[in-house]
This record gives sequence, structure tokens and C-alpha cells, in this order.
Amino acid sequence: GAGVSQSPRYKVTKRGQDVTLRCDPISSHATLYWYQQALGQGPEFLTYFNYEAQPDKSGLPSDRFSAERPEGSISTLTIQRTEQRDSAMYRCASTQLTANTEAFFGQGTRLTVV
Amino acid sequence: GQSLEQPSEVTAVEGAIVQINCTYQTSGFYGLSWYQQHDGGAPTFLSYNALDGLEETGRFSSFLSRSDSYGYLLLQELQMKDSASYFCAVGSTDKLIFGTGTRLQVFP
Repeated sequence: GAGVSQSPRYKVTKRGQDVTLRCDPISSHATLYWYQQALGQGPEFLTYFNYEAQPDKSGLPSDRFSAERPEGSISTLTIQRTEQRDSAMYRCASTQLTANTEAFFGQGTRLTVV
Repeated sequence: GQSLEQPSEVTAVEGAIVQINCTYQTSGFYGLSWYQQHDGGAPTFLSYNALDGLEETGRFSSFLSRSDSYGYLLLQELQMKDSASYFCAVGSTDKLIFGTGTRLQVFP
């Protein structure tokens, strides 16, 4: 696509439910990042993919968080058994290559756990 | 590990010049980039430095010193619309890491 698209834009879920967030990166981009961004803070690294490979998932806060990119394009981030502390903006970004010069961000998914 | 430090807030008046510094620690350094984020918006790319020196893009310039693990973003002829958060980001061999951001407030 022309830009990075994330869905849904807003998600309200009850504590204990599972949620899945979706990211559709720029079609020519090999690398896809997931970040969590709290209000007034910088994007905090969660994980990234080079095509379908996931070289680093060290930023995932717990084993309730998982991500996949099975065909090297669209990616999903799943949070199981959501907790209130998971409430945040989740941002996806893509670059042509790993640590490339310019990352393009989607508009993010605002997750609220009630 | 990797870390970046930048001031939390900077204020200036319209027409002034402001410099936002960033120091970093990382392994496998590729380059330092800068992003702008307005309230409610997504971060957008401003500039990138892979080599030492100054890169100029219109009113914005960015500088890098690899030996000092230091860079800065220079904003000239400030406008009200420049009020935003600015993030430095380090690209390394395995990931792209962002700083905590500097909130710039421009006053008339």
C-alpha cells in the first residue's frame, strides 16, 4: 500500500480478553517494527521482522505478547489475557531494510483495557 | 544495551534557533535519525546522519559525531507549527531504538 495502515484505530477490551492488532506495511518494505508508546514518551521497541523472520522480540513485556508476520507482509500483534497496564498506543513502522534511514509509521492502535 | 538521552523539554520564541541534543549508547551503530511528532499524530521522519558532520534540510539541520556518540537537531526560524515532540533514534544492526523525546514549545 501507499502508507502503513493499522487497524483497528481504537480498541476497548475487558481485562482478561485477548486482542489482536493488525499492521499492513508499505508493500516494498522488508522490515516491520512494533512499538508501544505511552503518552508523553517515545516509541518503545517491542519486536521486529525482516520479511517473515523475527530476529528480535526482546522488547515484548511478557509471554502474553506475541507477534507474527507469516508471509512477510501483514503483521499481527496479539495480547492474551489483557491487563490494564497493557493500555497504550501500539505503533507499527516499516523500513526498506533493517535500521534503514527512514521509518514510516502507521497511525497506531489506541488500546484501552477496562 | 542501547540507550538514548535527550532533554525532556525546550522552549523558544518564534524566529529563534533551538538545538536539541542526543547522546546514545549502542552496538553495531548504523546511524542517528530524528523524528517529529505532533500531539495526536504519528512520528514522521526529519533527517538522518550515518557519517560525522552536518546534514541540512531546509530550516532543519542535524549533526552527528560518532566518536562522541552525540548528535543534535537544529531548528532555525522557528514557527508555531514546530511545537511538537522530537525524537532521536539509533539504527543498529538489529533494531531501531527511540529516545524518550524532547517537547518543543514555541511561543509567539
